[in-house]
Amino acid sequence: GQQVMQIPQYQHVQEGEDFTTYCNSSTTLSNIQWYKQRPGGHPVFLIQLVKSGEVKKQKRLTFQFGEAKKNSSLHITATQTTDVGTYFCAGRARTSGTYKYIFGTGTRLKVLA
Amino acid sequence: DGGITQSPKYLFRKEGQNVTLSCEQNLNHDAMYWYRQDPGQGLRLIYYSQIVNDFQKGDIAEGYSVSREKKESFPLTVTSAQKNPTAFYLCASSPDGVYSNQPQHFGDGTRLSIL
Repeated sequence: GQQVMQIPQYQHVQEGEDFTTYCNSSTTLSNIQWYKQRPGGHPVFLIQLVKSGEVKKQKRLTFQFGEAKKNSSLHITATQTTDVGTYFCAGRARTSGTYKYIFGTGTRLKVLA
Repeated sequence: DGGITQSPKYLFRKEGQNVTLSCEQNLNHDAMYWYRQDPGQGLRLIYYSQIVNDFQKGDIAEGYSVSREKKESFPLTVTSAQKNPTAFYLCASSPDGVYSNQPQHFGDGTRLSIL
């Protein structure tokens, strides 16, 4: 079946270091969304990418959507302790005549002060 | 403030018992979703509803049931047929549904455990 894999599963970084998580789909996506879930919390929408090769920035966060619309990445520059949490991608794919969102497995980020 | 309210926050189920998780939203969203989250895994879709009185099975619907009698409410029943119900359950809503590209808004979740 359709899958969205995310790597790495875990990442520990020192505060101030950069961090990147990658999302890879087995099928072409119409759009991709990114969510952040703080420990003990619920996922919160960060951003959506729609166009092939699209790049969007939110302060220290940079999001990219691949040219083939099968992969995406989230890069955080100079991590802070407030960046701690699990980052999920959710790709929208067409399957059996309808669309559905497929969530990635998530990358859990720990930032060491 | 608009949002999604899930209750209870923690729930314990005995063997052979059905339990119902509540989800209410005041965002006036048409679509609502139920996800299951297990440690180290992404969110897996249980059921979704595009509109009142309509709902569709997701990827892991076996052992679960839902209803959508009101736009604001989408309760999930975990039946005794669900043999491994221990998980974190998240309810979400979006303005239009999976046919659109609107983001989903999540509730705070219910953590269900077996006694």
